Amino acid sequence: DIQMTQSPSSLSASVGDRVTITCRATQGISNYLAWYQQKPGKVPKLLIYAAATLQSGVPSRFSGSGSGADFTLTINSLQPEDVATYYCQKYNSAPLTFGGGTKVEIK
Amino acid sequence: EVQLVESGGGLVKPAGSLRLSCAASGFTFSTYSMNWVRQAPGKGLEWVSSISATGSYIYYADSLKGRFTTSRDNAKKSLSLQMNSLRAEDTAVYYCARSSPLRPLDAFDIWGQGTVVTVSS
Repeated sequence: DIQMTQSPSSLSASVGDRVTITCRATQGISNYLAWYQQKPGKVPKLLIYAAATLQSGVPSRFSGSGSGADFTLTINSLQPEDVATYYCQKYNSAPLTFGGGTKVEIK
Repeated sequence: EVQLVESGGGLVKPAGSLRLSCAASGFTFSTYSMNWVRQAPGKGLEWVSSISATGSYIYYADSLKGRFTTSRDNAKKSLSLQMNSLRAEDTAVYYCARSSPLRPLDAFDIWGQGTVVTVSS
């Protein structure tokens, strides 16, 4: 099975900073990659699908890129409401594996 | 309003069984693939199962080893997860989630609020 590895596992950044989270698959998955945001105590929310397509209603400071095995989630100008854990997920085929998560905090 | 509401969680003894349900509203349930995801306390998200819109294709995480069964009733707009031979490590919040109608496997755009399953003696 394909494994999904996120890095870093946690980060602390200042308001206004640009934050980058990476997700690497052990095999190519084309662009079948989604990113989710889970705020503390809340339900996960879809941010990006097809590696780079922003879900409706998601702020434009979020962006995704990549194809094949390497992907990136970028938050331009980090805001206090972006404190959350972010997960990538592959969905090209079963199993629909999630990455281990990246916890984003404000410095 | 598009909504998914899980029910059926609770406290169960090891080796016991539990059946979770997910009631859908606000969209044409029969045209969407559906999914189960779980999250153990303090841990990350773990995909459990996916079922295609008609129920023809069902997928499971290997770790479940045949203990869980996913089904759906499109007439009742309902998704179910039958969990047997439960273990302590099955303790988690269980979410149902909707996928797009374009592919049997796709990103999860709508999530329920989750139902808590606790396996303990």
